[in-house]
Amino acid sequence: QLQLQESGSGLVKPSETLSLTCVVSGDSISSRSHSWNWIRQPPGKGLEWIGYIYQSGNTYYRPSLKSRVTISVDRSKNQFSLKLKSVTAADTAVYYCARGDYYDSSGYSFEAFDIWGQGIMVTVSS
Amino acid sequence: EIVLTQSPGTLSLSPGERATLSCRASQHVISNYLAWYQQKPGQAPRLVIYGASNRASGIPDRFSGSGSGTDFTLTISRLEPEDFAVYYCQQYDTSYTFGQGTKLEIK
Repeated sequence: QLQLQESGSGLVKPSETLSLTCVVSGDSISSRSHSWNWIRQPPGKGLEWIGYIYQSGNTYYRPSLKSRVTISVDRSKNQFSLKLKSVTAADTAVYYCARGDYYDSSGYSFEAFDIWGQGIMVTVSS
Repeated sequence: EIVLTQSPGTLSLSPGERATLSCRASQHVISNYLAWYQQKPGQAPRLVIYGASNRASGIPDRFSGSGSGTDFTLTISRLEPEDFAVYYCQQYDTSYTFGQGTKLEIK
């Protein structure tokens, strides 16, 4: 069964770069045309999508974060990563990785996130 | 960016009752691009409904989704204790956005 696991620094200083990795286990990141996503949730608040990458390397980012975000994929390690530069306290959140492009039993694709990592809390503080 | 507004913010009901959660979009949403998630404290969200009306794998049939265009609804026919959680709707056009959530709490 596919599982996602986030890892990275839980404490980042203001103005520095947040770096997280999501390891995919149980299947190849290249096995089907899924998007691989980062989503965050500030404490006590709702969900905010950050961006995605396909195994081909194609990316798309939330417009408001585009200038600070880079998502990359390492197919050899079956993982994908997030870098968010110039962080501030507003970037403090639980960060989730999630698989997108849900396929039903007919093989039809829907825009939904069906597998999520457990999340990692990242605090921006000096 | 399409804004999703969920109502009510909090819904207080008892086990066995019927829950109706609303999600209204600021623009037309393609039904295949509307999903609902359940999130319990300290856990990641769980996909409940995809394509506006299809139950995800392992979701009990007391959960149902409906709607089209700008108005969508998640209904839980008879609440079980494990159903009390926060529910989010989500849409996709060129970006993904989520509603602010409805907290379903035990009355």
